[in-house]
Amino acid sequence: DAKTTQPTSMDCAEGRAANLPCNHSTISGNEYVYWYRQIHSQGPQYIIHGLKNNETNEMASLIITEDRKSSTLILPHATLRDTAVYYCIVRDTGRRALTFGSGTRLQVQP
Amino acid sequence: ETGVTQSPTHLIKTRGQQVTLRCSSQSGHNTVSWYQQALGQGPQFIFQYYREEENGRGNFPPRFSGLQFPNYSSELNVNALELDDSALYLCASSSSVISGNTIYFGEGSWLTVV
Repeated sequence: DAKTTQPTSMDCAEGRAANLPCNHSTISGNEYVYWYRQIHSQGPQYIIHGLKNNETNEMASLIITEDRKSSTLILPHATLRDTAVYYCIVRDTGRRALTFGSGTRLQVQP
Repeated sequence: ETGVTQSPTHLIKTRGQQVTLRCSSQSGHNTVSWYQQALGQGPQFIFQYYREEENGRGNFPPRFSGLQFPNYSSELNVNALELDDSALYLCASSSSVISGNTIYFGEGSWLTVV
């Protein structure tokens, strides 16, 4: 399984961009990078995913390095409602599971 | 709103009992997965069903079993409940078993074993 490494916690000022890094140095060529977030006591919320190219949707942008060994999730204008645990996940195609790590606890400060 | 609904939202069971949790997947999704999330930890994969067959399983004992029905809804059954089974149980659905598709989660069922 490709493992991911994320900082345990990060702070961000409201209205500023939040940049959440993730290392996945053992990712294989056909594995996607997924980002989910989980607000306390709720189910994980899908944010974005990508394979090689950078991706953007209404929630966030995903920047994947050319060697695919790391990625960054960007929330362009963080709000207090973005306070959550953010999980970077590499899709395990063999078992078809999402393997969650410990995630990054993002605290958006007013 | 993901379209994945789970029931019940909360329940309390006694050690040794059996429990059944239910999940309705998003319309058009034929794959359902179940995850267990203990307090303070990330979700752990239990198993996945595709077209009514189990096609992937995590490191969980056989007393964790499941079903998927022709309408793609699913059940998670846990026999001989143990105190450590207390957790949030999450159902996730997707439209295919291949990598690259989007997987949506429900809000979960909180199980407390006493």
